[in-house]
Amino acid sequence: GQNIDQPTEMTATEGAIVQINCTYQTSGFNGLFWYQQHAGEAPTFLSYNVLDGLEEKGRFSSFLSRSKGYSYLLLKELQMKDSASYLCAVAGGYQKVTFGTGTKLQVIP
Amino acid sequence: DGGITQSPKYLFRKEGQNVTLSCEQNLNHDAMYWYRQDPGQGLRLIYYSQIVNDFQKGDIAEGYSVSREKKESFPLTVTSAQKNPTAFYLCASTPTGTSSYEQYFGPGTRLTVT
Repeated sequence: GQNIDQPTEMTATEGAIVQINCTYQTSGFNGLFWYQQHAGEAPTFLSYNVLDGLEEKGRFSSFLSRSKGYSYLLLKELQMKDSASYLCAVAGGYQKVTFGTGTKLQVIP
Repeated sequence: DGGITQSPKYLFRKEGQNVTLSCEQNLNHDAMYWYRQDPGQGLRLIYYSQIVNDFQKGDIAEGYSVSREKKESFPLTVTSAQKNPTAFYLCASTPTGTSSYEQYFGPGTRLTVT
């Protein structure tokens, strides 16, 4: 089976940097996703890591360590519009994707 | 424009009635998925289908049924056996023939059963 853990809530200040962690224990691993979800809307794709290391995409970066079952999403230069839930998800076998419960990020002025 | 459509956006039903949620995609994706999301929670997999005429149960399939008669369509029926059907339902699909499992989501249907 799949077990994915991430903090429930986080608060950070506008302009700052925040790191959202995700740990996972899975029976199969084909990659790890991060999605952003605003309240009442569908998730939108942020990143996909297959290999170990850091992938940077503008203000957002995602890191993966497969040996440790660990990933993080780094958000720089926080903006108020970054207030949302951030979902960690693992792609296992047979194209099955399992999501964590999400981290609700609140950005304050 | 290519994408995934779900209709309606809001749906209201009386307890004891079956209801079918539609999901259509014109992205030529083989794999399609149904998720359920409760307030403050992540997405839980109900059913998924890797190819036409084939589908697998996800983590919370009880009280739900699906069909996959066409590549473009993956309707979900919420039956009266589902104990707590009120939730936000999301349909997704995955590109074909790539190593990426990125999921493309529809806008969702919010179902309220009273």
